[in-house]
Amino acid sequence: GAVVSQHPSWVICKSGTSVKIECRSLDFQATTMFWYRQFPKQSLMLMATSNEGSKATYEQGVEKDKFLINHASLTLSTLTVTSAHPEDSSFYICSARDQGAVGTQYFGPGTRLTVL
Amino acid sequence: GQQVMQIPQYQHVQEGEDFTTYCNSSTTLSNIQWYKQRPGGHPVFLIQLVKSGEVKKQKRLTFQFGEAKKNSSLHITATQTTDVGTYFCAGRRVQGAQKLVFGQGTRLTINP
Repeated sequence: GAVVSQHPSWVICKSGTSVKIECRSLDFQATTMFWYRQFPKQSLMLMATSNEGSKATYEQGVEKDKFLINHASLTLSTLTVTSAHPEDSSFYICSARDQGAVGTQYFGPGTRLTVL
Repeated sequence: GQQVMQIPQYQHVQEGEDFTTYCNSSTTLSNIQWYKQRPGGHPVFLIQLVKSGEVKKQKRLTFQFGEAKKNSSLHITATQTTDVGTYFCAGRRVQGAQKLVFGQGTRLTINP
C-alpha cells in the first residue's frame, strides 16, 4: 500500500511554544490530506481537510488560528500548533487520500505531542 | 450531521473464538472503509466496500456491506493474538466526498 510519513513521531514542548508537524505522501501524490486528533482509547476526530494550493477546511470547533495548516505541495502538508498548552497534548495523525484508488485514505504513523 | 455508530465498544474473547463488530450509519453511505489500529500504532487500511450487499473476505476476516448501504460488519473467525487492536469503520456519505466519518471503534482484546 501507499506510504505516508509523519515527522516528528513525538515531541515534548513547553507551554506557549509552537510545534510544527509534517506529513508526507512518499509514493503518491495527494491533493487532499487530512489532520486528525486522537485522545487515548478514543476514535479519530477530524480537525481539518488540507487541500493543495488552497486554504484548509476546518471542522466545527477547531480554531484555525491555533492549528495552522499549509499544503504547499502534492506530497507535503504541515500542521503547526501555535502557543501550545497542556490541553493540546494528544496524538495527531495525518492521512492522505490516494486519488487513483477510489479514495482510499492512508494514515501516517502519528505524532505524539506532550505540552508541559 | 452524519453519524456512524459502532458496537460493541469493547470485546474480550478467548483465542480461537470468533469476533464481530457492527457499524451503523444514520445516512446512506457511498462506501465504507475498515481500519485496524494496533495499540500504540496508527490506523491501517484493511478494505473498502462499495456495492450494496457486498461481501469481501481476507483470510479469516469477512466484511459485509448492508443492502441499504447503511450498515456494515467485520467478522473474524478463530481469533489469534495478532488480531488484538481497535477496529474502526469509516463511511463516506456521497461518492467523491472528501471526508470520512469514523465510528467510535471496537477494541478487541484476546486471552491466549
